Amino acid sequence: NAGVMQNPRHLVRRRGQEARLRCSPMKGHSHVYWYRQLPEEGLKFMVYLQKENIIDESGMPKERFSAEFPKEGPSILRIQQVVRGDSAAYFCASSGQSNQPQHFGDGTRLSIL
Amino acid sequence: QQQVKQSPQSLIVQKGGISIINCAYENTAFDYFPWYQQFPGKGPALLIAIRPDVSEKKEGRFTISFNKSAKQFSLHIMDSQPGDSATYFCAAGPAGGGSNYKLTFGKGTLLTVNP
Repeated sequence: NAGVMQNPRHLVRRRGQEARLRCSPMKGHSHVYWYRQLPEEGLKFMVYLQKENIIDESGMPKERFSAEFPKEGPSILRIQQVVRGDSAAYFCASSGQSNQPQHFGDGTRLSIL
Repeated sequence: QQQVKQSPQSLIVQKGGISIINCAYENTAFDYFPWYQQFPGKGPALLIAIRPDVSEKKEGRFTISFNKSAKQFSLHIMDSQPGDSATYFCAAGPAGGGSNYKLTFGKGTLLTVNP
Protein backbone atom coordinates (compact mmCIF):
# COMPACT_ATOMS: atom_id res chain seq x y z
CA ASN A 1 0.00 0.00 0.00
CA ALA A 2 1.65 3.18 -1.20
CA GLY A 3 -0.86 5.50 0.43
CA VAL A 4 -0.55 7.68 3.51
CA MET A 5 -0.33 5.43 6.55
CA GLN A 6 -1.52 6.53 9.96
CA ASN A 7 -1.30 4.62 13.19
CA PRO A 8 -2.81 3.78 15.44
CA ARG A 9 -6.26 3.84 13.85
CA HIS A 10 -7.88 4.14 17.26
CA LEU A 11 -6.30 5.48 20.43
CA VAL A 12 -7.85 5.69 23.87
CA ARG A 13 -6.25 7.79 26.56
CA ARG A 14 -7.23 8.95 30.02
CA ARG A 15 -7.21 12.63 30.88
CA GLY A 16 -3.70 13.82 31.62
CA GLN A 17 -1.94 11.17 29.55
CA GLU A 18 0.05 11.76 26.37
CA ALA A 19 -1.11 10.83 22.88
CA ARG A 20 1.29 10.17 20.01
CA LEU A 21 -0.09 9.94 16.51
CA ARG A 22 2.11 8.77 13.65
CA CYS A 23 1.94 9.46 9.94
CA SER A 24 4.03 7.98 7.14
CA PRO A 25 3.56 9.99 3.94
CA MET A 26 3.17 8.52 0.52
CA LYS A 27 6.39 7.34 -1.07
CA GLY A 28 8.25 10.28 -2.53
CA HIS A 29 6.26 12.87 -0.60
CA SER A 30 8.11 15.26 1.65
CA HIS A 31 5.27 17.61 2.64
CA VAL A 32 3.00 16.62 5.51
CA TYR A 33 -0.14 18.29 6.83
CA TRP A 34 -2.15 17.53 9.96
CA TYR A 35 -5.87 18.25 10.28
CA ARG A 36 -8.37 17.69 13.09
CA GLN A 37 -12.01 16.72 12.50
CA LEU A 38 -14.61 17.11 15.19
CA PRO A 39 -17.94 15.25 14.86
CA GLU A 40 -20.09 16.69 12.08
CA GLU A 41 -17.47 19.31 11.30
CA GLY A 42 -15.09 19.81 8.44
CA LEU A 43 -11.40 19.30 8.79
CA LYS A 44 -9.43 22.08 10.46
CA PHE A 45 -5.83 22.71 9.43
CA MET A 46 -3.33 22.32 12.25
CA VAL A 47 0.22 22.25 10.93
CA TYR A 48 2.30 21.92 7.77
CA LEU A 49 5.75 20.33 7.87
CA GLN A 50 8.55 19.44 5.53
CA LYS A 51 11.40 17.19 6.50
CA GLU A 52 12.84 18.51 9.77
CA ASN A 53 11.01 21.84 9.41
CA ILE A 54 7.72 23.27 10.63
CA ILE A 55 6.48 25.54 7.85
CA ASP A 56 3.16 26.71 9.28
CA GLU A 57 1.72 25.83 12.68
CA SER A 58 -0.90 28.55 12.78
CA GLY A 59 -3.70 26.03 13.37
CA MET A 60 -2.06 24.32 16.33
CA PRO A 61 -3.19 25.10 19.86
CA LYS A 62 -0.43 27.03 21.59
CA GLU A 63 -0.16 24.61 24.49
CA ARG A 64 0.15 20.83 24.78
CA PHE A 65 0.33 20.19 21.02
CA SER A 66 3.52 19.69 19.04
CA ALA A 67 4.47 18.15 15.71
CA GLU A 68 7.64 16.95 14.11
CA PHE A 69 8.77 15.36 10.87
CA PRO A 70 12.28 14.01 11.39
CA LYS A 71 14.76 13.23 8.67
CA GLU A 72 14.12 9.55 9.20
CA GLY A 73 10.80 8.05 10.21
CA PRO A 74 7.20 9.19 10.33
CA SER A 75 5.73 12.52 11.25
CA ILE A 76 4.51 12.63 14.85
CA LEU A 77 1.68 14.68 16.31
CA ARG A 78 2.05 14.78 20.08
CA ILE A 79 -0.63 15.86 22.51
CA GLN A 80 0.44 16.20 26.12
CA GLN A 81 -1.88 16.10 29.13
CA VAL A 82 -4.91 15.28 27.01
CA VAL A 83 -8.34 16.63 27.90
CA ARG A 84 -11.84 15.52 26.84
CA GLY A 85 -11.96 18.24 24.20
CA ASP A 86 -9.05 16.62 22.36
CA SER A 87 -11.34 13.75 21.34
CA ALA A 88 -11.49 13.91 17.55
CA ALA A 89 -10.29 12.28 14.36
CA TYR A 90 -6.83 13.44 13.38
CA PHE A 91 -5.93 13.20 9.73
CA CYS A 92 -2.58 13.43 8.06
CA ALA A 93 -2.10 14.31 4.41
CA SER A 94 0.96 14.43 2.22
CA SER A 95 1.99 15.90 -1.10
CA GLY A 96 5.02 15.82 -3.33
CA GLN A 97 5.19 19.59 -3.46
CA SER A 98 3.18 22.19 -1.58
CA ASN A 99 1.22 23.10 -4.73
CA GLN A 100 0.24 19.52 -5.51
CA PRO A 101 -2.93 17.76 -4.31
CA GLN A 102 -2.97 16.51 -0.76
CA HIS A 103 -3.60 12.80 -0.22
CA PHE A 104 -5.11 11.83 3.10
CA GLY A 105 -4.62 8.87 5.38
CA ASP A 106 -7.53 7.14 7.10
CA GLY A 107 -6.98 9.01 10.33
CA THR A 108 -6.51 8.27 14.01
CA ARG A 109 -9.64 8.37 16.16
CA LEU A 110 -8.62 9.67 19.56
CA SER A 111 -10.93 9.10 22.49
CA ILE A 112 -10.30 10.61 25.90
CA LEU A 113 -11.85 8.90 28.91
CA GLN B 1 -15.36 32.61 11.49
CA GLN B 2 -16.46 30.04 8.93
CA GLN B 3 -14.74 30.94 5.69
CA VAL B 4 -16.33 28.23 3.55
CA LYS B 5 -20.06 27.63 3.89
CA GLN B 6 -21.44 24.39 2.50
CA SER B 7 -25.04 23.37 1.86
CA PRO B 8 -27.12 21.34 2.21
CA GLN B 9 -26.04 19.52 5.35
CA SER B 10 -27.64 16.33 4.04
CA LEU B 11 -29.10 15.26 0.72
CA ILE B 12 -31.16 12.30 -0.41
CA VAL B 13 -31.29 11.49 -4.11
CA GLN B 14 -32.77 8.65 -6.10
CA LYS B 15 -30.53 6.45 -8.17
CA GLY B 16 -29.95 8.06 -11.55
CA GLY B 17 -30.71 11.56 -10.28
CA ILE B 18 -28.46 14.60 -10.05
CA SER B 19 -26.85 15.51 -6.74
CA ILE B 20 -25.94 19.17 -6.26
CA ILE B 21 -23.86 20.50 -3.38
CA ASN B 22 -23.06 24.18 -3.01
CA CYS B 23 -20.26 26.11 -1.35
CA ALA B 24 -19.61 29.80 -0.82
CA TYR B 25 -16.42 31.43 0.32
CA GLU B 26 -15.52 34.82 1.71
CA ASN B 27 -11.77 35.13 1.30
CA THR B 28 -10.88 36.44 -2.16
CA ALA B 29 -7.33 35.17 -1.65
CA PHE B 30 -8.53 31.61 -2.24
CA ASP B 31 -7.60 30.30 -5.67
CA TYR B 32 -7.81 26.52 -5.40
CA PHE B 33 -11.08 24.70 -4.81
CA PRO B 34 -11.04 20.91 -4.35
CA TRP B 35 -13.85 18.55 -3.50
CA TYR B 36 -13.25 15.53 -1.29
CA GLN B 37 -15.32 12.38 -0.79
CA GLN B 38 -15.21 10.62 2.56
CA PHE B 39 -16.63 7.20 3.44
CA PRO B 40 -17.22 6.21 7.08
CA GLY B 41 -13.97 5.31 8.82
CA LYS B 42 -11.87 6.53 5.92
CA GLY B 43 -9.91 9.64 5.10
CA PRO B 44 -11.06 12.21 2.55
CA ALA B 45 -10.23 11.32 -1.05
CA LEU B 46 -9.73 14.01 -3.66
CA LEU B 47 -12.50 13.89 -6.27
CA ILE B 48 -11.97 16.89 -8.47
CA ALA B 49 -10.52 20.40 -8.15
CA ILE B 50 -10.77 23.71 -9.97
CA ARG B 51 -8.94 27.02 -10.14
CA PRO B 52 -10.69 30.36 -10.83
CA ASP B 53 -9.40 30.68 -14.39
CA VAL B 54 -12.14 28.30 -15.59
CA SER B 55 -15.86 28.29 -14.86
CA GLU B 56 -16.43 24.56 -15.14
CA LYS B 57 -14.49 21.33 -14.92
CA LYS B 58 -15.83 17.87 -15.64
CA GLU B 59 -14.40 14.49 -14.78
CA GLY B 60 -16.67 11.58 -15.58
CA ARG B 61 -19.95 12.01 -13.69
CA PHE B 62 -18.53 14.79 -11.50
CA THR B 63 -18.62 18.46 -12.51
CA ILE B 64 -17.50 21.56 -10.65
CA SER B 65 -19.17 24.84 -11.55
CA PHE B 66 -17.40 27.98 -10.40
CA ASN B 67 -18.75 31.53 -10.16
CA LYS B 68 -15.91 33.86 -9.24
CA SER B 69 -18.00 37.04 -8.98
CA ALA B 70 -20.47 35.39 -6.60
CA LYS B 71 -17.68 33.55 -4.76
CA GLN B 72 -19.56 30.30 -5.12
CA PHE B 73 -18.79 26.86 -6.45
CA SER B 74 -20.78 23.68 -6.66
CA LEU B 75 -20.40 19.96 -7.24
CA HIS B 76 -22.79 18.16 -9.55
CA ILE B 77 -22.94 14.37 -9.56
CA MET B 78 -24.75 13.11 -12.62
CA ASP B 79 -26.49 9.73 -12.72
CA SER B 80 -26.00 9.33 -8.96
CA GLN B 81 -25.39 5.77 -7.76
CA PRO B 82 -25.80 4.12 -4.34
CA GLY B 83 -22.00 3.76 -4.26
CA ASP B 84 -21.78 7.57 -4.28
CA SER B 85 -23.35 7.65 -0.81
CA ALA B 86 -20.72 9.38 1.32
CA THR B 87 -19.89 12.71 2.93
CA TYR B 88 -18.64 15.34 0.52
CA PHE B 89 -16.47 18.26 1.56
CA CYS B 90 -15.63 21.35 -0.40
CA ALA B 91 -12.44 23.17 0.44
CA ALA B 92 -10.49 26.25 -0.54
CA GLY B 93 -6.79 26.98 -0.60
CA PRO B 94 -4.98 30.32 -0.55
CA ALA B 95 -2.98 31.74 -3.41
CA GLY B 96 0.76 32.01 -3.43
CA GLY B 97 3.55 29.92 -1.95
CA GLY B 98 1.95 26.62 -2.82
CA SER B 99 -1.71 27.34 -3.09
CA ASN B 100 -3.23 24.18 -1.78
CA TYR B 101 -1.77 23.86 1.64
CA LYS B 102 -3.71 25.09 4.64
CA LEU B 103 -7.01 24.06 3.09
CA THR B 104 -10.16 25.49 4.65
CA PHE B 105 -12.98 22.93 4.57
CA GLY B 106 -16.74 23.25 4.57
CA LYS B 107 -18.70 21.29 7.17
CA GLY B 108 -19.64 18.54 4.76
CA THR B 109 -22.75 17.17 3.05
CA LEU B 110 -23.99 13.67 3.79
CA LEU B 111 -25.27 12.27 0.48
CA THR B 112 -27.55 9.26 0.42
CA VAL B 113 -28.45 7.76 -2.93
CA ASN B 114 -31.43 5.44 -2.71
CA PRO B 115 -31.56 2.43 -5.04
